[in-house]
Amino acid sequence: GIQVEQSPPDLILQEGANSTLRCNFSDSVNNLQWFHQNPWGQLINLFYIPSGTKQNGRLSATTVATERYSLLYISSSQTTDSGVYFCANSGAGSYQLTFGKGTKLSVIP
Amino acid sequence: DGGITQSPKYLFRKEGQNVTLSCEQNLNHDAMYWYRQDPGQGLRLIYYSQIVNDFQKGDIAEGYSVSREKKESFPLTVTSAQKNPTAFYLCASSVQGEYGYTFGSGTRLTVV
Repeated sequence: GIQVEQSPPDLILQEGANSTLRCNFSDSVNNLQWFHQNPWGQLINLFYIPSGTKQNGRLSATTVATERYSLLYISSSQTTDSGVYFCANSGAGSYQLTFGKGTKLSVIP
Repeated sequence: DGGITQSPKYLFRKEGQNVTLSCEQNLNHDAMYWYRQDPGQGLRLIYYSQIVNDFQKGDIAEGYSVSREKKESFPLTVTSAQKNPTAFYLCASSVQGEYGYTFGSGTRLTVV
């Protein structure tokens, strides 16, 4: 099956710092998405990004499909950015997502 | 406002009992999904449905059952055959042919 690997597993940042989260895929990039799970468990879709670069405020994402990886950038981090960040991908022609194990981000004041 | 509603938020089950988790969406999405999340782990797909009256098993379907009688509703039953049901259950939906998922707020199931 599809393998999705995320790094680092844990990250602690001082408020205001920048960070880069990485996601590697064993299969081709199809429906790559990034999610944020807040401390109460709610998952929010951040980006649908099978290729290229997108930006939304302080967050941006880049996917290099030919090299099977994606990066999520968080700039000027805030305590509200804390939580777990997941990336997910699906097989060719499929809508079902396979999730990585996530990166747990803690932003401290 | 459109969204996905999962209920209850917390559920306690005695060993040997079946329980049903509710998932309702008013987004007019065709596809619906059930995922299970264990502590410190990613999400694993239990079942999915792309159309009413049709559903397929995901990676960990054993011990679970679903129905899709209405477009808006996709309930999940955790049966007594599921040996380790304590987990956080998440329901999601998407438009057929598009890939952005919308998730519900989840149900925490605990076996007592």
